[in-house]
Amino acid sequence: EVQLVESGGGLIHPGGSLRLSCAASGFTFDDHAMHWVRQAPGKGLEWVSGITWNSAKIDYADSVKGRFTISRDSAKNSLYLQMNSLRPEDTAFYFCARDTGPYNSGPILDWGHGTLVTVFS
Amino acid sequence: SYDLTQPLSLSVALGQTAKITCGGHDIGSKLVHWYQQKPGQAPLLVIYRDNNRPSGSPERFSGSNSGNTATLTVSRARAGDEADYYCQVWDSRTMTFGGGTKLTVL
Repeated sequence: EVQLVESGGGLIHPGGSLRLSCAASGFTFDDHAMHWVRQAPGKGLEWVSGITWNSAKIDYADSVKGRFTISRDSAKNSLYLQMNSLRPEDTAFYFCARDTGPYNSGPILDWGHGTLVTVFS
Repeated sequence: SYDLTQPLSLSVALGQTAKITCGGHDIGSKLVHWYQQKPGQAPLLVIYRDNNRPSGSPERFSGSNSGNTATLTVSRARAGDEADYYCQVWDSRTMTFGGGTKLTVL
């Protein structure tokens, strides 16, 4: 069974930093690109970032470019999102998600349950 | 950036057919995926690459894509189909979602 378990969310002031983690299991981690997708409470889905199977290609949404950094660790079957210079509009549930294939190009096959990040003054 | 437009809401009578649209410039040249999201849950892929159903997705769900509109069709609607539905494409190395459509089954 595929499992994606996010952690690291919490309350943070504007300008602060957080690091999200996602522990993956139940599939061959190195065969899949991975993504972070967020959803503000009561709002729609917004893709944040994606990373290919070998970390060779990394993409970001314009809204987070220069502030967020995605990375992955094959030895730990884990995905990360370093979030710096956080803003109130970054408040959302952050989902870890598994791409269909190794590149940032497919639909999302599996999602974690999400971790909530709240940026408040 | 590439914009996808969905109706905010749609109602369908129990047992009838709902068609949820997703509009975008020349979307017919792209591959469209559809997700279902129920309250408090993560999204679930229900249609991929325009008209393919993943394992576990009911046959009542189908998709089409042509010109400037992609459509998710939910046939013989059930109460359990009540959810938010999102279309999604890739454009210029960016994953883009539509704003979502809330489907209500009456």
